[in-house]
Amino acid sequence: KAGVTQTPRYLIKTRGQQVTLSCSPISGHRSVSWYQQTPGQGLQFLFEYFSETQRNKGNFPGRFSGRQFSNSRSEMNVSTLELGDSALYLCASSLDRAGTEAFFGQGTRLTVV
Amino acid sequence: GENVEQHPSTLSVQEGDSAVIKCTYSDSASNYFPWYKQELGKGPQLIIDIRSNVGEKKDQRIAVTLNKTAKHFSLHITETQPEDSAVYFCAASSGNYQLIWGAGTKLIIKP
Repeated sequence: KAGVTQTPRYLIKTRGQQVTLSCSPISGHRSVSWYQQTPGQGLQFLFEYFSETQRNKGNFPGRFSGRQFSNSRSEMNVSTLELGDSALYLCASSLDRAGTEAFFGQGTRLTVV
Repeated sequence: GENVEQHPSTLSVQEGDSAVIKCTYSDSASNYFPWYKQELGKGPQLIIDIRSNVGEKKDQRIAVTLNKTAKHFSLHITETQPEDSAVYFCAASSGNYQLIWGAGTKLIIKP
């Protein structure tokens, strides 16, 4: 079956702009988690969605937001982009709980100039 | 809250030798411990996981051991090959909440 799909793969934006990233989880998975990964850094948890509700949130400013649709697809939005937002944004899907087997997409590489 | 420490940050081994990466967790309620491999330009890939009711799990050249008393778990790779070169992440969770991640280990396999 199809894996986790993230679009777009690459994105270049200007400071001050906003961006929306998309994640389609594995069919049947209802939990979607988002992570930020910067060079040399580990995985920084952004938030988790389950059944269209945000269930957990990491320590990121309010410029980072997300949502989940009834088909479990999820989007994350970053407003007023800063240079420091340049990173690989990863989405992971799990069957029903974020703390169990999680499968990652290839990520979206965001560059802010 | 839960914290996971991972060592070493970089590990260089000769091809054919074994590699061991260790992680320590703080929350005694943690019961799920996965390991991920991340190759350059790709998302992390789940390679093996273990639950707290098991002390060891093996899958071909990869094994994970868990010591609940000491609250640490380790990834063992035997007969290392060039394609094992990657960054490896450990994680821990109590099942209900998000995975808590180690900082990662860059594994370098020297030919």
